[in-house]
Amino acid sequence: DIQMTQSPSSLSASVGDRVTITCRASQDIRNDLGWYQQKPGKAPKRLIYAASSLQSGVPSRFSGSGSGTEFTLTISSLQPEDFAAYYCLQHNSYPPIYTFGQGTKLEIK
Amino acid sequence: HVQLVESGGGVVQPGGSLRVSCAASGFTFSAYGMHWVRQAPGKGLEWVAFIRYHGGEEHHADSVKGRFIISRDNSKNTLYLQMNSLRPDDTAVYFCAKDDPGKIFDYWGQGTLVIVSS
Repeated sequence: DIQMTQSPSSLSASVGDRVTITCRASQDIRNDLGWYQQKPGKAPKRLIYAASSLQSGVPSRFSGSGSGTEFTLTISSLQPEDFAAYYCLQHNSYPPIYTFGQGTKLEIK
Repeated sequence: HVQLVESGGGVVQPGGSLRVSCAASGFTFSAYGMHWVRQAPGKGLEWVAFIRYHGGEEHHADSVKGRFIISRDNSKNTLYLQMNSLRPDDTAVYFCAKDDPGKIFDYWGQGTLVIVSS
């Protein structure tokens, strides 16, 4: 099975900061990866799909990059509403076995 | 608009069974695969199971294989997860999510809480 290693597990940052979260896959997954944001008590919200495609309605300060085994989610200028947990998800394998990263909790410094 | 509403969660004793459901609306349910994802209290997301749009193919995570069964009734626009031989570490919020072919899941329900405890 494909393993996903997400880092960091937690991150303290200030409004206006640029932050980067990384996911590494245990094998080549092409661009079959996306990112979710989750706020406490809520369902995850899709931010990025196909590694770098921005979900409609998501602010352009969010961006994704990478292919193969290394992927990043970047928030260019943190806003107060961005403090949440973030997860990557890979969907490359067959039979379909999906794997989330361990998550990154983004907190206000 | 797309709506996914889970139900059926509750408290169950270890070794017991429970079936959770997900009622779908706002899209052609029979045309899309569906997933179950869970989240233990204070923990991350864990994919549980997937079923194709026609219901003829399903896949389960190793952690639940042989104990949980995903199914669907396209005539009722409803997804199910039958959970047997429940263990305390199955305690979690269970979310259903709509597959988006070639991409990660696009829509999620709000989840239903399952607590396995004596």
